Amino acid sequence: DAGVTQSPTHLIKTRGQQVTLRCSPKSGHDTVSWYQQALGQGPQFIFQYYEEEERQRGNFPDRFSGHQYPNYSSELNVNALLLGDSALYLCASRARGLNSPLHFGNGTRLTVT
Amino acid sequence: KNQVEQSPQSLIILEGKNCTLQCNYTVSPFSNLRWYKQDTGRGPVSLTIMTFSENTKSNGRYTATLDADTKQSSLHITASQLSDSASYICVVSAGRGGYNKLIFGAGTRLAVHP
Repeated sequence: DAGVTQSPTHLIKTRGQQVTLRCSPKSGHDTVSWYQQALGQGPQFIFQYYEEEERQRGNFPDRFSGHQYPNYSSELNVNALLLGDSALYLCASRARGLNSPLHFGNGTRLTVT
Repeated sequence: KNQVEQSPQSLIILEGKNCTLQCNYTVSPFSNLRWYKQDTGRGPVSLTIMTFSENTKSNGRYTATLDADTKQSSLHITASQLSDSASYICVVSAGRGGYNKLIFGAGTRLAVHP
């Protein structure tokens, strides 16, 4: 049973470009959330998707957008990249239930030059 | 404002020694608190969950405690191993049903030396 898978694992982009990161949730999970983790910091919540709609959003600008497909997989899009967007982007999925844990992928390391 | 603060920021211990990591939170309404372990270059993995009524819970060499009155939690690691070297993140869930909001601490970076 595959866990959460993310692609690509590493990515280098230039300021002003756009990027798309992809995530496949753990089998049986229908809720996907995205996090940005700067070096030495805890993950920062970007947004959460359920039933193909954005349900919650953290304090991130509109340059960060997402999508969830009927098979529950998800994408994170970032437009007009800034140097400060360089970080590890983590995707997590969870099953329904108040105490269900997040299952994280190993992330995509984005470097903006 | 919902906040989770962890201490210390980093810690170095010798293999075989015990250590305790702290998590203080100001989150309302409190739903649960979970400790995650994040190895370098990997995503976090859940170690244990504490609900409002639980004081202590163990998972192997890891023991978590929760004091809901003082809004503090600790993670105690016994007989540390080199593989315990990682970041430990405290995450508090706020809300009552539906999709709760998760508040992440910045983590404690633990290094276990031989």
